[in-house]
Amino acid sequence: DQQVKQNSPSLSVQEGRISILNCDYTNSMFDYFLWYKKYPAEGPTFLISISSIKDKNEDGRFTVFLNKSAKHLSLHIVPSQPGDSAVYFCAASETGGGNKLTFGTGTQLKVEL
Amino acid sequence: DVKVTQSSRYLVKRTGEKVFLECVQDMDHENMFWYRQDPGLGLRLIYFSYDVKMKEKGDIPEGYSVSREKKERFSLILESASTNQTSMYLCASSPLGATRISSGANVLTFGAGSRLTVL
Repeated sequence: DQQVKQNSPSLSVQEGRISILNCDYTNSMFDYFLWYKKYPAEGPTFLISISSIKDKNEDGRFTVFLNKSAKHLSLHIVPSQPGDSAVYFCAASETGGGNKLTFGTGTQLKVEL
Repeated sequence: DVKVTQSSRYLVKRTGEKVFLECVQDMDHENMFWYRQDPGLGLRLIYFSYDVKMKEKGDIPEGYSVSREKKERFSLILESASTNQTSMYLCASSPLGATRISSGANVLTFGAGSRLTVL
């Protein structure tokens, strides 16, 4: 049972445009959400996070939006750069869950020149 | 620069062999995790540990065991490797969470991964 879903396995965007990556979850107990970026042959690296008491968090070119009623979050990258080409994973955790993260299946982002 | 180090980047083993994957972190983190990454399935949690000699099953523990004899080291063991255990294995660590909205505890730091092929 996939509790965190990323329905788009891949996304292609032109350099300078906005990239929007989506993530849906089913477990209403999740109260903290994170995005990780992964390059080939490297481990995932933390990108940005948001707690359930907020609906938006921004860090430079990256913004995460959370819609709790829809159990949906999205990552916006503006402007997109070729170096952003990677696999992006969303992840979720719940208080009392022992800090373990439940990950989505990932979205391969390709930023083209 | 804090690090999670996985000793083997690439391994090739035969079916039935016992396999050890080692992970060491230098951040004095309490929590350590083992995930595997497979195409179309994302990262799935195998085992995790909150403290020395403690372990908890994740979502897919079958066929695996773990050992945590020291705080900085967390080992994943495949008692009898099978071809369906061919995968990328990722170790991670995080500090112990104390508060309800504790951002730091939720941020896992990952190692570079160990690519295991079982023939």
